Amino acid sequence: GAGVSQSPSNKVTEKGKDVELRCDPISGHTALYWYRQSLGQGLEFLIYFQGNSAPDKSGLPSDRFSAERTGGSVSTLTIQRTQQEDSAVYLCASSLVGQGQTEAFFGQGTRLTVV
Amino acid sequence: DQQVKQNSPSLSVQEGRISILNCDYTNSMFDYFLWYKKYPAEGPTFLISISSIKDKNEDGRFTVFLNKSAKHLSLHIVPSQPGDSAVYFCAATNDYKLSFGAGTTVTVRA
Repeated sequence: GAGVSQSPSNKVTEKGKDVELRCDPISGHTALYWYRQSLGQGLEFLIYFQGNSAPDKSGLPSDRFSAERTGGSVSTLTIQRTQQEDSAVYLCASSLVGQGQTEAFFGQGTRLTVV
Repeated sequence: DQQVKQNSPSLSVQEGRISILNCDYTNSMFDYFLWYKKYPAEGPTFLISISSIKDKNEDGRFTVFLNKSAKHLSLHIVPSQPGDSAVYFCAATNDYKLSFGAGTTVTVRA
């Protein structure tokens, strides 16, 4: 597709279950970001992938969160043993190069609700 | 520790008038600043940006002003239109990580 695609759009899960969120970046974009937005908050950086370099995982809030990017394209964010505080909109973005000076294109997000 | 702050959660403006959105930051290492616009159920879309070597950047109805000494930037929308009603996020960076403010919800009244 022409833009960043995320699936699912909405996910309701029970506390303690694992969830996987998927991101398809824009073709050819080497940089991929995950952010999350909790209610009333700004976007919080989670993780960054750039080409074959080691990802910057400094924003992941706990070891229950992990992400991978296969083949330099599709990325999956996994949250294990979900907690209610994990409820948020998870946004994926991609850009041409790994510099903030290049605008990042965002997907529509996955709204995660942990009940 | 929030490095980018948007202290006004909402702004209401009449159609045709100017909208002024403000943003403050604390990290003096930031050298690039961006504004994103977000409609409900959509991801943020890039609006306009400015490098720290400039103090103004204009694109159509949108102008961003940067005051480095005050660590402050603002977005001016002139004239405001109903389609401008959205949440506006200020962001800043000095590498690849964007630090975002909490957003300002703009409502343009007819």
